[in-house]
Amino acid sequence: EVQLVQSGAEVKEPGESLKISCKASGYRFTSYWIGWVRQMPGKGLEWMGIVYPGDSDTRYNPSFQRQVTISADKSITTAYLQWNSLGASDTAMYYCVSAYDDYAYWGQGTLVTVSS
Amino acid sequence: DIQMTQSPSAMSASVGDRVTITCRASQGINNYLAWFQQKPGKVPKRLIYASSSLQSGVPSRFSGSGSGTEFHLTISSLQPEDVATYYCLQHKTYPLTFGGGTKVEIK
Repeated sequence: EVQLVQSGAEVKEPGESLKISCKASGYRFTSYWIGWVRQMPGKGLEWMGIVYPGDSDTRYNPSFQRQVTISADKSITTAYLQWNSLGASDTAMYYCVSAYDDYAYWGQGTLVTVSS
Repeated sequence: DIQMTQSPSAMSASVGDRVTITCRASQGINNYLAWFQQKPGKVPKRLIYASSSLQSGVPSRFSGSGSGTEFHLTISSLQPEDVATYYCLQHKTYPLTFGGGTKVEIK
């Protein structure tokens, strides 16, 4: 069974750093891209970027290129999304999604709240 | 980047009505298009892949069509449980792009 299990909700202050995770199982992790999607409160889905765990090749949506870092650790079949300095506008739900079976499989979401 | 223009952004229809949602791509994407349904507070769920293939377990009242730059999601007979927001996703070219979403309500 394919599963993507994300890390839990986070509450952070502006300027803090954060790294959230997405643990994949049930398929060959190194053979399929895995991406991240942002959904701000009451808004639509936005594609942030994607990483190929086999060689760590990464492609970003230009809108997010300088805001976040996407990575993967194939030894533990986990993808990551990280920020060096959070802002209030980063408050959102973040989903990971695997390219296995053409993006059918999504994580349960990680809610990130940034507030002083 | 490929832009996906989805219409309408919102609609209200009666139970049993036929509903059609459209996504237009700014350039050809062959059939690299999927449709997702998202209910409030839930994870998006794929309904249609490869433009017209029905995801296993999805009711047959949902169907997809189109190729190239114009795509449609049709609900043949709207049911109360279909109240949700629907999104298209092109996955031909990075960065992948979603349509803006269509919120479907019952009249």
